[in-house]
Amino acid sequence: NAGVMQNPRHLVRRRGQEARLRCSPVKGHSHVYWYRQLPEEGLKFMVYLQKENIIDESGMPKERFSAEFPKEGPSILRIQQVVRGDSAAYFCASSPWDRPLNTEAFFGQGTRLTVV
Amino acid sequence: AQTVTQSQPEMSVQEAETVTLSCTYDTSESDYYLFWYKQPPSRQMILVIRQEAYKQQNATENRFSVNFQKAAKSFSLKISDSQLGDAAMYFCAYRKVGGGATNKLIFGTGTLLAVQP
Repeated sequence: NAGVMQNPRHLVRRRGQEARLRCSPVKGHSHVYWYRQLPEEGLKFMVYLQKENIIDESGMPKERFSAEFPKEGPSILRIQQVVRGDSAAYFCASSPWDRPLNTEAFFGQGTRLTVV
Repeated sequence: AQTVTQSQPEMSVQEAETVTLSCTYDTSESDYYLFWYKQPPSRQMILVIRQEAYKQQNATENRFSVNFQKAAKSFSLKISDSQLGDAAMYFCAYRKVGGGATNKLIFGTGTLLAVQP
């Protein structure tokens, strides 16, 4: 029973390029959350998605960042025109549809993005 | 807005000894959850223990237990009989429940625990 799968584990991008981070939730989970961990800091919430819907994007930067969770396939966090300040570990978490408020989120191992 | 504070950036404990990690939080809500997550060098976030605010009894999971003081908004983690595998970054986290809340977790800045053999 696979957990949350994120890929790639490590991603290096030059300034100005696009970064695409993928997250496959636990089988049967329909809620996905993205968090960002800057060096020496805790995880900060970015966005909460259900299938084909963005529920809460209060933690997403207004520009260059977008997220989707299509009906089929993984959730994608996209960062356009990356800058050095985007260098961080990005974590995805998922939870089931039936008790989203009462269950713990299961985390992936994160994608470490390095912008050079 | 809710906040979570971990005032100990680093802690150290001898193997087989007991260590307590501190966490305080600020909220105006009466119903919420509190969590401790462990993040080893692999970066995997592992749930250690959780506490529901409406429960007065402190949660316990094997060698891990919490001291939940709701009035003081304090949520410390006690690790008994520390093992080398306990060495990791530990994050305290808060989640609001009810009123249309999402599963959004608010994390502290973490405490790096070293276990000395």
